[in-house]
Amino acid sequence: DAKTTQPPSMDCAEGRAANLPCNHSTISGNEYVYWYRQIHSQGPQYIIHGLKNNETNEMASLIITEDRKSSTLILPHATLRDTAVYYCIVRVGTIGGNKLVFGAGTILRVKS
Amino acid sequence: DGGITQSPKYLFRKEGQNVTLSCEQNLNHDAMYWYRQDPGQGLRLIYYSQIVNDFQKGDIAEGYSVSREKKESFPLTVTSAQKNPTAFYLCASSITGRASDGYTFGSGTRLTVV
Repeated sequence: DAKTTQPPSMDCAEGRAANLPCNHSTISGNEYVYWYRQIHSQGPQYIIHGLKNNETNEMASLIITEDRKSSTLILPHATLRDTAVYYCIVRVGTIGGNKLVFGAGTILRVKS
Repeated sequence: DGGITQSPKYLFRKEGQNVTLSCEQNLNHDAMYWYRQDPGQGLRLIYYSQIVNDFQKGDIAEGYSVSREKKESFPLTVTSAQKNPTAFYLCASSITGRASDGYTFGSGTRLTVV
């Protein structure tokens, strides 16, 4: 089962910041938080990941709470092309290696 | 450019036939993965491989088989034992299986069994 909880859908006005929340209250100390997005009928696209500290790249920022039980993905200036399903994932460690377990994600609709 | 190639993009098969989905990567990644996605749902892990000639079952391996004879190739066979094979199949790879490594995904194969 997925170790994360996300709202099923969110709307955002074009040009505004989109803040996507994620709860991962059972995360372990060495597990990373990953964010991917999937545009309809395409493969998921990597956005960003982090362990403890906040992270920023050309696509987004990731804010992780101090207790690591939740995080927020921020798209600073959302465009219509950012409409997609956004997945928050905790990398799960197993005997055979680490794997990504996907939940249902959040459908983000950016509206003009 | 480096990446993952899945072929074909669309595949139609008759019920009861085995079918093999291709996944090739030229990223020199050690680890490869197969996921299944049903409409409106997230991805579910079928099989994964951390190294050549070794692979592990994921959460929904029944009715599927894989091989990893070469580092760059990880084909998935959907057998007649898979009760509901119609789905969108995604292949991914990562540098290693470490928790700090992200995945690169292919563009997917949409399988329809009639």
